[in-house]
Amino acid sequence: QQQVKQSPQSLIVQKGGISIINCAYENTAFDYFPWYQQFPGKGPALLIAIRPDVSEKKEGRFTISFNKSAKQFSLHIMDSQPGDSATYFCAASSRGSYIPTFGRGTSLIVHP
Amino acid sequence: DTAVSQTPKYLVTQMGNDKSIKCEQNLGHDTMYWYKQDSKKFLKIMFSYNNKELIINETVPNRFSPKSPDKAHLNLHINSLELGDSAVYFCASSEMSTEAFFGQGTRLTVV
Repeated sequence: QQQVKQSPQSLIVQKGGISIINCAYENTAFDYFPWYQQFPGKGPALLIAIRPDVSEKKEGRFTISFNKSAKQFSLHIMDSQPGDSATYFCAASSRGSYIPTFGRGTSLIVHP
Repeated sequence: DTAVSQTPKYLVTQMGNDKSIKCEQNLGHDTMYWYKQDSKKFLKIMFSYNNKELIINETVPNRFSPKSPDKAHLNLHINSLELGDSAVYFCASSEMSTEAFFGQGTRLTVV
């Protein structure tokens, strides 16, 4: 049972373009929605996170858009840079079941 | 100071051997996890350990066993290693429903 569905599996963007990764969840008890960034040979690290009481959160070039009624959230990377090339994971967790559930990941390549 | 540290970083071993991976966190978190990341980058939860409560993913073979000597440590023991166990194993910790901090990973290769 995959509780968090992530798409696309891979994404190629030109430098300066916008990267968009989407996730959908099933469990309405989820109340914490983080995005993690993973570089080769490293562990995932938190990039940005949102809770369902807001519809958008922005940190620099990274924005999470959250649609509670549709049970969807997305990551937008503005002005994508080659240094953003990494694997991105969406995740979700709840206070009741605190184990983070991860999407399957998106491999992002930003061409110079 | 590294928040979540796991050792070793690389582990190459023969089929049938028993091995352990150690994990320590200095963040004071109540919950620790083990994840397995396969060649397709999928992060699969194996175990979570919270305040002495162990939650096991039922799909994990019983050759895998977590051991927590105290709140800051969650080690992973693997018996009778198989080729299919080759993967990267990540330890992580968090407070409930907040950011998870990951270790650098242990790349296990079974030959």
